[in-house]
Amino acid sequence: QKEVEQNSGPLSVPEGAIASLNCTYSDRGSQSFFWYRQYSGKSPELIMSIYSNGDKEDGRFTAQLNKASQYVSLLIRDSQPSDSATYLCAVNDAPGGYNKLIFGAGTRLAVHP
Amino acid sequence: DAGVIQSPRHEVTEMGQEVTLRCKPISGHNSLFWYRQTMMRGLELLIYFNNNVPIDDSGMPEDRFSAKMPNASFSTLKIQPSEPRDSAVYFCALPSGENEQFFGPGTRLTVL
Repeated sequence: QKEVEQNSGPLSVPEGAIASLNCTYSDRGSQSFFWYRQYSGKSPELIMSIYSNGDKEDGRFTAQLNKASQYVSLLIRDSQPSDSATYLCAVNDAPGGYNKLIFGAGTRLAVHP
Repeated sequence: DAGVIQSPRHEVTEMGQEVTLRCKPISGHNSLFWYRQTMMRGLELLIYFNNNVPIDDSGMPEDRFSAKMPNASFSTLKIQPSEPRDSAVYFCALPSGENEQFFGPGTRLTVL
């Protein structure tokens, strides 16, 4: 059973701090990795995708991928209260034959003023 | 919301009733995913269509669930008969680019 593991949180950080969200996955063949943000009552919104080892930066967000260790992380710099949401890690199911994604249960982030 | 219209946005029904959820990509897509999200089980893939054909329906819970995609502009997910454990948010999602998926606004289903 392929798995994507996330700490459910809540992860509480003060405004302006760096929030660090982590995800591990079981399928060594996975090649595509995604972070979705989901506000309460809303649909998941894609915020980052990463396909190769290392860091990928987009504004205040940095995704980090380490395929050897099978983990992917998301750093949010200068956290704002508007970043408070659940963050879902998604990993492609390599033998699926199509872009099948396996989602983690999500980490709830709370940024307090 | 990824250029997807889902209807209804909220549905409350009684156990045993038939429920039909609809997904309409604003610009035609011949590929589409249906997901279900609950607190207990998270986000689960129910079925994937490509070229309007069901490719992977291994996530469909049981025979009470059925899905169709008659054309590139429309898909339905039907539950008959519905049960309280079917209460969830149902999303359709469209593939894009390099293995990305974009989610519609969802339908919140409550079965009493």
